[in-house]
Amino acid sequence: EVQLLESGGGLAQPGGSLRLSCATSGFTFSSYAMSWVRQAPGKGLEWVSAIRGSGDSTYYAVSVRGRFTISRDNSKNTLYLQMNNLRADDTAVYYCAKDTENERGLFDYWGQGTLVTVSS
Amino acid sequence: DIVMTQSPDSLAVSLGERATINCKSSQTVLNRSNNKNYLAWYQQKPGQPPKLLISWASTRQSGVPDRFSGSGSGTDFTLTISSLQAEDVAVYYCQQYYSIPPWTFGQGTKVEIK
Repeated sequence: EVQLLESGGGLAQPGGSLRLSCATSGFTFSSYAMSWVRQAPGKGLEWVSAIRGSGDSTYYAVSVRGRFTISRDNSKNTLYLQMNNLRADDTAVYYCAKDTENERGLFDYWGQGTLVTVSS
Repeated sequence: DIVMTQSPDSLAVSLGERATINCKSSQTVLNRSNNKNYLAWYQQKPGQPPKLLISWASTRQSGVPDRFSGSGSGTDFTLTISSLQAEDVAVYYCQQYYSIPPWTFGQGTKVEIK
């Protein structure tokens, strides 16, 4: 059974940092791209970042480029999102999502999400 | 970036009746080399993560009831729920996965019971 479990969310001050983790199981982690998708309170879905299975290619939405860094540890089957210089509009539930292939952009499994709140 | 626009933003349908959601992309998501539309539909129930319902515009995921169907090609797509059930109350999103990121979602359509 595929499982994705996010952690690391919480309250951060504007300009602060947080590191999200997504622990996975039930599939060959290194064979699939992974993404982070966020959802601001009461709003729709926004793709944030993706990383190929090998970790050799990464992609970012314009809204987070230069502030967020996606990475993965294939030995630990874990995905990360380092978020720096946080802004109020980064407040959202952050989901990790498994791609159906290596860099397809189609998400067949999602975690339950972790809430990030940016406020002073 | 490809912009996805859904209509309507919300709709209320009686139990057993048909629900139709439209999704329009700002540019084609049809790959003519393989004749595939890079368009997916997700269902999100309150307090839950999204669930992939349909990929390639019309391919239902395993376990998705056959009352859900997807159609369309190029820039115009439709998700149809043929006979609305109480458990179908949710927000539905279309998403394009054509080419390289960014992959984009529609704004969502909320389906309620009339």
